[in-house]
Amino acid sequence: KNEVEQSPQNLTAQEGEFITINCSYSVGISALHWLQQHPGGGIVSLFMLSSGKKKHGRLIATINIQEKHSSLHITASHPRDSAVYICAVRSVNDMRFGAGTRLTVKP
Amino acid sequence: KAGVTQTPRYLIKTRGQQVTLSCSPISGHRSVSWYQQTPGQGLQFLFEYFSETQRNKGNFPGRFSGRQFSNSRSEMNVSTLELGDSALYLCASSIGQGAAFFGQGTRLTVV
Repeated sequence: KNEVEQSPQNLTAQEGEFITINCSYSVGISALHWLQQHPGGGIVSLFMLSSGKKKHGRLIATINIQEKHSSLHITASHPRDSAVYICAVRSVNDMRFGAGTRLTVKP
Repeated sequence: KAGVTQTPRYLIKTRGQQVTLSCSPISGHRSVSWYQQTPGQGLQFLFEYFSETQRNKGNFPGRFSGRQFSNSRSEMNVSTLELGDSALYLCASSIGQGAAFFGQGTRLTVV
């Protein structure tokens, strides 16, 4: 079993829809990152969380340390949000990644 | 402020050769980490450097090595290349263990 599980693997939405991507992990962590990767490979770090909730524009990330679970929400989704979203957890010795969620937002 | 710069962007090497990839972090960032991304394994952590010292290392064979210079620039080296080393190699820099800023990656193809 992967130590970082993301769901869903693939997600297709209509423009304007509210989107949720989930991440569950089984290891102790010092922080959790949400990353966005567009075709071509470039990765952008969206959030780094160790507790609570963060908001940046239309993006909201939450983490529940007791439940070992995090969610990334996108409000009013737009085709430019189409990308792969990756959850990454930082432990003492390394960083471990989920397999990613491929999001496609249709106009 | 310039972002993280990785060179080269693309590279084709032959099995058995060695390769060196370079990463210039954002000015002021002393932590540099390296990752390998393949379609089959996804993203995997290679190693992390801070102030010229390797702080952590992922589960990769000894053919994978790296170093960091006094100006925080980092290089990673892969010796005796195998076909399975074909991947996107990403570098990220940060101030300590803060938010990471990624480079565009080096796409290595081993033939």
